This record gives sequence, structure tokens and C-alpha cells, in this order.
Amino acid sequence: DTGVSQDPRHKITKRGQNVTFRCDPISEHNRLYWYRQTLGQGPEFLTYFQNEAQLEKSRLLSDRFSAERPKGSFSTLEIQRTEQGDSAMYLCASSLEGGLFLNEKLFFGSGTQLSVL
Amino acid sequence: GQQLNQSPQSMFIQEGEDVSMNCTSSSIFNTWLWYKQDPGEGPVLLIALYKAGELTSNGRLTAQFGITRKDSFLNISASIPSDVGIYFCAGQSNNDMRFGAGTRLTVKP
Repeated sequence: DTGVSQDPRHKITKRGQNVTFRCDPISEHNRLYWYRQTLGQGPEFLTYFQNEAQLEKSRLLSDRFSAERPKGSFSTLEIQRTEQGDSAMYLCASSLEGGLFLNEKLFFGSGTQLSVL
Repeated sequence: GQQLNQSPQSMFIQEGEDVSMNCTSSSIFNTWLWYKQDPGEGPVLLIALYKAGELTSNGRLTAQFGITRKDSFLNISASIPSDVGIYFCAGQSNNDMRFGAGTRLTVKP
């Protein structure tokens, strides 16, 4: 399968614990996005990378959140000191940047469902 | 928060019926995308639109990029049970892609 892969699919943690999610994008894609989705809502943008550079962060991304893409391939999203409000589906998407954000298509992974107890 | 207004929020239709849903925005977008999401899965891209006025089909699905670049619609013809799911519109301008809140479609056999 050459789609976007996310691991784990589900994560249950206690409040205050740290969690880390991994995303492997489609191999030739240079742009990688993280989104968060809560029940009954569409995905909300968190951050994106062009190769290894993190170019934008949403205001939703508090200081407890950090994302990395060290070699421009896979990415990790870490949440420190989790809170119950962090419970959501965390989606990763990748795209092949076509210049000036035109003609861009995002392909999503299956997501990581986080439950903070 | 969401900047796209997607309607209707939900639809209950009989198998074989046609379906129409739309998205509007106060902002201009360069690209409109339509996705379908099944429970517990990520959104799957259905149709991408890149030019104002563009009308694109993918099987029984047809979508249009509004002339004003502030709206888009998706039509599904002759619905079948596997069309069940949540449909999201997404608009992109510069480096920002925003999603609607989704239209939940239920198809009765």
C-alpha cells in the first residue's frame, strides 16, 4: 500500500501523559500536514511541513504540541501533558507541492483516534 | 474555526435518488475539493476543482467550482447504499485549506 500511513490507529491515555503519533506520507510527496478532527466537525488545520521545514502552525497548536519531520520523510506529532480536550482524531495528509499552492490535492491517512481519560 | 458553510448537515434519501450538497464561503478560494469520510477512517478525495466555472465528473459524482470562487456544489446521481458517509468540502487559498463541517448522507435501500 503506497498511501499515507499513520500509527497507532487508536491511543488511550491518562490525563497528564505524553503521547506521540507517527505519519508516513506518500513517498514522493514533499508536503505533509497535520489536522485535528472532533466529532461532527471537519478537519482543522494544525501545521504543515514542506520537506523538513515546518512552515506554518495554527493557533490551535498550543505549546504542548510539537511536530517534527527530521529528514523530510515521516513526521511525528507529540502532545505533552495531555488534557481531556485533546481527545480527537489526528489526521495526517500529504501532497506533492505544485507551486504556489495551486492544483494541490491532499491525501489523508486513516488517522489516530486519541482518547484522554 | 470553520470558514465554510456546508449544507445540508444531513440527508436521508432512498436508494436511486439524486443528491445535491453545497458549500459557500465569504472568502475566495483557488481550489475546491470534495472528500468522503467513512467512520473511523480518514477523508478520501473524490473530486478536485481548480478553475472558476469548472464542472468535473467522477462516475456518478459531479462537482462545480462556482463562478464567484466562493462556492461549490457536489451532486450524486442514482445513489446506492455504499454512498453512505460524511461528505466534506474543502477550499484552498494560498497555504490555507479549510474544511466544511460535513454533510452526513444516509441511503435507505
